[in-house]
Amino acid sequence: DIQMTQSPSSLSASVGDRVTITCQASQDISNYLNWYQQKPGKAPKLLIYDASNLETGVPSRFSGSGSGTDFTFTISSLQPEDIATYYCQQYDNLPVTFGQGTKLEIK
Amino acid sequence: EVQLVESGGGLVQPGGSLRLSCAASGFTFSSYWMHWVRQAPGKGLVWVSRINSDGSSTSYADSVKGRFTISRDNAKNTLYLQMNSLRAEDTAVYYCARDWRRYYDSWGQGTLVTVSS
Repeated sequence: DIQMTQSPSSLSASVGDRVTITCQASQDISNYLNWYQQKPGKAPKLLIYDASNLETGVPSRFSGSGSGTDFTFTISSLQPEDIATYYCQQYDNLPVTFGQGTKLEIK
Repeated sequence: EVQLVESGGGLVQPGGSLRLSCAASGFTFSSYWMHWVRQAPGKGLVWVSRINSDGSSTSYADSVKGRFTISRDNAKNTLYLQMNSLRAEDTAVYYCARDWRRYYDSWGQGTLVTVSS
């Protein structure tokens, strides 16, 4: 199975800050890396697919980059509504695997 | 509008069975691969199972292989997860998710399964 190592596990930042989350795969997954946002009590929501493509309707302050084994997710200017847990996901091979999540809080 | 609505969760004793359903609407269900993903209370997301568009191919996580069965009825636009020999560690919210080109572009709201005596 492909292991996804996501960091940090939690993050506290101020409104307007630039926030970065990283995800490392245990083997090359090309660009089959997706990012999801999950708010408490809600289903996950797709933000970024194929490492760097912004899902329709998602604000442009969200972005993703990387390929192979190392990936980055960025919020360019943190907004109060961005408080959530963020997960990376690889879908290069089954089983699909997720990072352990990054809980984002407002400072 | 794409909608996925899960049902069938509840409280079940260890060793018992449940069948989850995921009713799909707003899109051509028979064209999409579908997945089940679960989330134990306070924990992360874990993939459970996948089925292809016509139901001829299925895959499972090792933790549920031999106990869970994924299936679909394209005439009824419904995805299923038959769960047998349930264990306490199967306690989770179960989500169905639509697979579009190796990412999940739509999720249901989830249904809670609690395995406890």
